[in-house]
Amino acid sequence: NAGVTQTPKFQVLKTGQSMTLQCAQDMNHEYMSWYRQDPGMGLRLIHYSVGAGITDQGEVPNGYNVSRSTTEDFPLRLLSAAPSQTSVYFCASSRGQGPRELFFGEGSRLTVL
Amino acid sequence: AQKVTQAQTEISVVEKEDVTLDCVYETRDTTYYLFWYKQPPSGELVFLIRRNSFDEQNEISGRYSWNFQKSTSSFNFTITASQVVDSAVYFCALSEENYSGAGSYQLTFGKGTKLSVIP
Repeated sequence: NAGVTQTPKFQVLKTGQSMTLQCAQDMNHEYMSWYRQDPGMGLRLIHYSVGAGITDQGEVPNGYNVSRSTTEDFPLRLLSAAPSQTSVYFCASSRGQGPRELFFGEGSRLTVL
Repeated sequence: AQKVTQAQTEISVVEKEDVTLDCVYETRDTTYYLFWYKQPPSGELVFLIRRNSFDEQNEISGRYSWNFQKSTSSFNFTITASQVVDSAVYFCALSEENYSGAGSYQLTFGKGTKLSVIP
């Protein structure tokens, strides 16, 4: 079972570059989300989706775009990277409706110079 | 707005000691869910428990136990006879249930407590 797969695991960008963090799950989960983890800040919700075609903003959505064209995939796009986006990003998914156990990917460490 | 406070930033204990990690939450909803997650040094996030607001029974799972008290808005986590493998960052999290029908919810995490168990 692959679970939640994130790619890449590490990435270095220059300010102003764009990139996409990929997230795929093979558990047929309806709910998917992206978090960023910064030292001393815990995990903060960026965007989430309750199903294909439906996305919504979390606590810190600025500078990030998402789309959900299939149940399996939930990519996170940085259109113009900034040093403040240096962080570890986690994708997570859960089944059904309502708050349930989140299954997390292994994380993607992004550094913006 | 929902909020989770983990006042203990770091805790160090000697192996076999008991340790309690505090979690205080704020919510205006009557229906909500509380969680604990563990993040070991390897970095992955591991689900430990989910509790809904209508179930105030304490729960025990091996050396782990959870004390949910609505009167004090707390959901504390105790590790009995700690072991080195318990060294990790522990996150408490809260989600209010959204009745919009879309299954939408936002899980808010506390800032975490780093537990170090010294052999």
